[in-house]
Amino acid sequence: QVTLKESGPVLVKPTETLTLTCTVSGFSLSNARMGVSWIRQPPGKALEWLAHIFSNDEKSYSTSLKSRLTISKDTSKSQVVLTMTNMDPVDTATYYCARINGDYPYWYFDLWGRGTLVTVSS
Amino acid sequence: SYELTQPPSVSVSPGQTASITCSGDKLGDKYACWYQQKPGQSPVLVIYQDSKRPSGIPERFSGSNSGNTATLTISGTQAMDEADYYCQAWDSSAVGVFGTGTKVTVL
Repeated sequence: QVTLKESGPVLVKPTETLTLTCTVSGFSLSNARMGVSWIRQPPGKALEWLAHIFSNDEKSYSTSLKSRLTISKDTSKSQVVLTMTNMDPVDTATYYCARINGDYPYWYFDLWGRGTLVTVSS
Repeated sequence: SYELTQPPSVSVSPGQTASITCSGDKLGDKYACWYQQKPGQSPVLVIYQDSKRPSGIPERFSGSNSGNTATLTISGTQAMDEADYYCQAWDSSAVGVFGTGTKVTVL
């Protein structure tokens, strides 16, 4: 069974750095045709793509958040980690990781984790 | 940055056809996907590569993409199709973009 599971803090303070982990099972992060993205959704609002990483360590970041984001992976642990610096209350959202399948430009998110709600508040 | 615009809401009677549009500059030159999200749940892929349906997605879901507009069509809409729908594409720099989202209400 293929799954993705997000983990990390439920609450962070303004200006702190958020670290989220996506643990995958049922597929390998070394698979050449698959990658993992992070996507977030503020309460009641739309989805927002944040970043992705592929097996060859190719990475891409949201244009507006690029300066605050870092994505990395540990293939041996089947984990993808996202860090976001200088957190602000507007960053309060459910953060999802999703598997990317296909070849560019045909990529699509075929599997999603359940998401983890992160609240930014002092 | 690249933007995708959707109507905020679409209403449809049971059994009728719902069409949801997604507009972006030269979107037809890219490949659009569509995701369904029900309250409290994670998004689910319903259309990829403009018009392909993943395994398990009913045939009543179809997609098209041309010019500046991608369209998700739900034929014979059922109450279970009531959800938020998001289009998504990749810009020329491999940056992901989601649409603004459309709430489909089955009256």
